[in-house]
Amino acid sequence: GENVEQHPSTLSVQEGDSAVIKCTYSDSASNYFPWYKQELGKGPQLIIDIRSNVGEKKDQRIAVTLNKTAKHFSLHITETQPEDSAVYFCAAIRWGKLQFGAGTQVVVTP
Amino acid sequence: EAQVTQNPRYLITVTGKKLTVTCSQNMNHEYMSWYRQDPGLGLRQIYYSMNVEVTDKGDVPEGYKVSRKEKRNFPLILESPSPNQTSLYFCASSLSSRGRGENEQFFGPGTRLTVL
Repeated sequence: GENVEQHPSTLSVQEGDSAVIKCTYSDSASNYFPWYKQELGKGPQLIIDIRSNVGEKKDQRIAVTLNKTAKHFSLHITETQPEDSAVYFCAAIRWGKLQFGAGTQVVVTP
Repeated sequence: EAQVTQNPRYLITVTGKKLTVTCSQNMNHEYMSWYRQDPGLGLRQIYYSMNVEVTDKGDVPEGYKVSRKEKRNFPLILESPSPNQTSLYFCASSLSSRGRGENEQFFGPGTRLTVL
């Protein structure tokens, strides 16, 4: 099965700075890598995803990079804002089973 | 409004008392799934369903049952709950089972379960 490791577990950044969360996966056959954001008291919500045939994807202040050779992918948030404070989960999927990382608590301080 | 609903949102029960957590989606999604969320462990899949009458085990299925008799509903059943099933549970759905889950999953608001 797939094993996804996520680092760091907590991340404190000042408003306006960048945040980077890194994940590694074990199964080279994994081909889809979504990122979910979970705000307090709510279910996770997809914010960006990347497929294995793409190396980078951007959506406004959010970007994801994928290195298939090294089997790691990262979430980059630029110009962080207070509303970016949440728990972020990376995930990898292979044959219908989505394996999540343990999550990163991001705190954006004014 | 397109959504996934779960009931109840909070439940405190005792060991051995059977319970059901309901999940319903109004988006005509084929794929539905149950996860549990525990500190430091992230989200772990319990069971999933590719379509009506098609269910399969996830990573932590022990102690749980599911059924998918209708497309919109996917209840989670704990026949004999134990304290180690105290957790935050999420139901999720996605549009199609094609690609075997490679679609955005829409999560419900969660059910906080405590088993004493």
